[in-house]
Amino acid sequence: EPEVTQTPSHQVTQMGQEVILRCVPISNHLYFYWYRQILGQKVEFLVSFYNNEISEKSEIFDDQFSVERPDGSNFTLKIRSTKLEDSAMYFCASSEWDLAGSSYNEQFFGPGTRLTVL
Amino acid sequence: AQSVTQLGSHVSVSEGALVLLRCNYSSSVPPYLFWYVQYPNQGLQLLLKYTSAATLVKGINGFEAEFKKSETSFHLTKPSAHMSDAAEYFCAVNFGNEKLTFGTGTRLTIIP
Repeated sequence: EPEVTQTPSHQVTQMGQEVILRCVPISNHLYFYWYRQILGQKVEFLVSFYNNEISEKSEIFDDQFSVERPDGSNFTLKIRSTKLEDSAMYFCASSEWDLAGSSYNEQFFGPGTRLTVL
Repeated sequence: AQSVTQLGSHVSVSEGALVLLRCNYSSSVPPYLFWYVQYPNQGLQLLLKYTSAATLVKGINGFEAEFKKSETSFHLTKPSAHMSDAAEYFCAVNFGNEKLTFGTGTRLTIIP
């Protein structure tokens, strides 16, 4: 069964360093998402991406964050200068269509990358 | 304001007992509603979804949920809990845009 994969499973970094979290969405999906879950808190939407551009982003997704689809398979989240409060589980998701379309299509989630900023 | 609320961050039930996890939402537009389950060290798996069809929705692993518009609720139930049901459960809502808005989650513990 197709699944979303994410690497690495755990990333430890020093404050101020850049990190890139990687995701491989399901191959025929068109919409890609990043969410994060700070320990003990709820899952929060960061950004959605379609047709090689950001289609929606939250207030969390400030200038230190960026997303990219560098090739036909990978979808990355870059944090330019990590802060302690960026420590969280980051989930990638993909779907065939956007949720605001004519019919709902499920977002499939990856297993997450746990980011620890020291 | 649009929001989703899960009552009870922790719920414990005995094996074989009824599971009831509560979810309420606030929205000015008809939402899409979902329940996701997260097992330890794993991603989010869709249990079931309501997308304006039948109000009683059946999902995987024997779970079901009923959409009650008058109560703005989408509670998750299972008639008989199993040890394998121990996990974190998240209610999520789509309010007509591209993102899912998640509740704070409910950790379900099954007592042998």
